[in-house]
Amino acid sequence: GESVGLHLPTLSVQEGDNSIINCAYSNSASDYFIWYKQESGKGPQFIIDIRSNMDKRQGQRVTVLLNKTVKHLSLQIAATQPGDSAVYFCAENRDDYKLSFGAGTTVTVRA
Amino acid sequence: NAGVTQTPKFRILKIGQSMTLQCTQDMNHNYMYWYRQDPGMGLKLIYYSVGAGITDKGEVPNGYNVSRSTTEDFPLRLELAAPSQTSVYFCASRPLAARTRELFFGEGSRLTVL
Repeated sequence: GESVGLHLPTLSVQEGDNSIINCAYSNSASDYFIWYKQESGKGPQFIIDIRSNMDKRQGQRVTVLLNKTVKHLSLQIAATQPGDSAVYFCAENRDDYKLSFGAGTTVTVRA
Repeated sequence: NAGVTQTPKFRILKIGQSMTLQCTQDMNHNYMYWYRQDPGMGLKLIYYSVGAGITDKGEVPNGYNVSRSTTEDFPLRLELAAPSQTSVYFCASRPLAARTRELFFGEGSRLTVL
């Protein structure tokens, strides 16, 4: 089975609210995690990453939190906008070459 | 830079036909990857390469072959296409030395096998 997965396949958010997307991983040896955004008909785009020696990392309107105790990763999007509607994937890196992806969460922003 | 370029964008194959999905990158990246994405699912790694002349299997290599004769190109070959290979295929690349392990993706190739 997959070692990286998201808790919910879909998330509906009111425009302007904050979004929280969750991801669980099972391999405690993973030392690097990435969040990707995939818009319809496009390839995944990098959002933010975090190394296992960190608990939190912030970008522009996004924050990634890592809880190694329970092997949980989350992506927070502040003031969600219509352009944030997409599928969001977390991915883990267990060795230096390969990223393993979860199934994704589809975020829909309501006007 | 064009980044990662995949061709074709769409293709319909009959069962048993063969084809090659082309992938080229102009960023001089050492690492290249092929993933497939089935509806509602994440990306599954098919094959990857850490440099010209070196390839290795990922999670789902059966029914596919790759080659890496140059740094720029990493074609994916489907022999004897089957309906189970209907999917969207993504090529990606990454530099050898970088602060992040971010993969740069192409726009995808949508393949239907009938």
